[in-house]
Amino acid sequence: DAGVTQSPTHLIKTRGQQVTLRCSPKSGHDTVSWYQQALGQGPQFIFQYYEEEERQRGNFPDRFSGHQFPNYSSELNVNALLLGDSALYLCASSLERRLAADTQYFGPGTRLTVL
Amino acid sequence: KNEVEQSPQNLTAQEGEFITINCSYSVGISALHWLQQHPGGGIVSLFMLSSGKKKHGRLIATINIQEKHSSLHITASHPRDSAVYICAVRLFQGAQKLVFGQGTRLTINP
Repeated sequence: DAGVTQSPTHLIKTRGQQVTLRCSPKSGHDTVSWYQQALGQGPQFIFQYYEEEERQRGNFPDRFSGHQFPNYSSELNVNALLLGDSALYLCASSLERRLAADTQYFGPGTRLTVL
Repeated sequence: KNEVEQSPQNLTAQEGEFITINCSYSVGISALHWLQQHPGGGIVSLFMLSSGKKKHGRLIATINIQEKHSSLHITASHPRDSAVYICAVRLFQGAQKLVFGQGTRLTINP
């Protein structure tokens, strides 16, 4: 049973470029959350996708967008990259249960460097 | 002030010592997670708590809902326990958003 997978593992871009990061959730999971972790900081919530819709969003600009596909996999897109977007981007999956808090399983992350 | 505060930020101890990492939060929550992050980034979920105490091997996690405080304990610490330990809370409001503490960097020396 594969856990959460992310691709690519590392990525180097220049300012102004666009990037797409990908996440496949743990088998059986239907909810995907994205987090940004700057060096030395705790992760910050970007947004969460469920049933192919953005369900909740953190305090990130519109340059950050996403998508969830029918197979529950997800993409994170960042446009007009800034140096400050350099971070580890983490994807976490879980199973939607409205009456219970469920464990989120994290992927290994994609380390994005913007030069 | 952050909604989730951890202490200490850095902790260095000798192998075999009993370790305690603390987490305080200021919002209503439905659950609290303790996570472990090794160099390179991968995060592993250690515990999810909504009340009381949980134990897994040498790890023990407790939560006091009234005091809005949780602790992670490691007994008989080992150098392989060296990692960043992160406390994260799931808010009552909204979807399953997690709010993270800044993490505690633990180093266990042999």
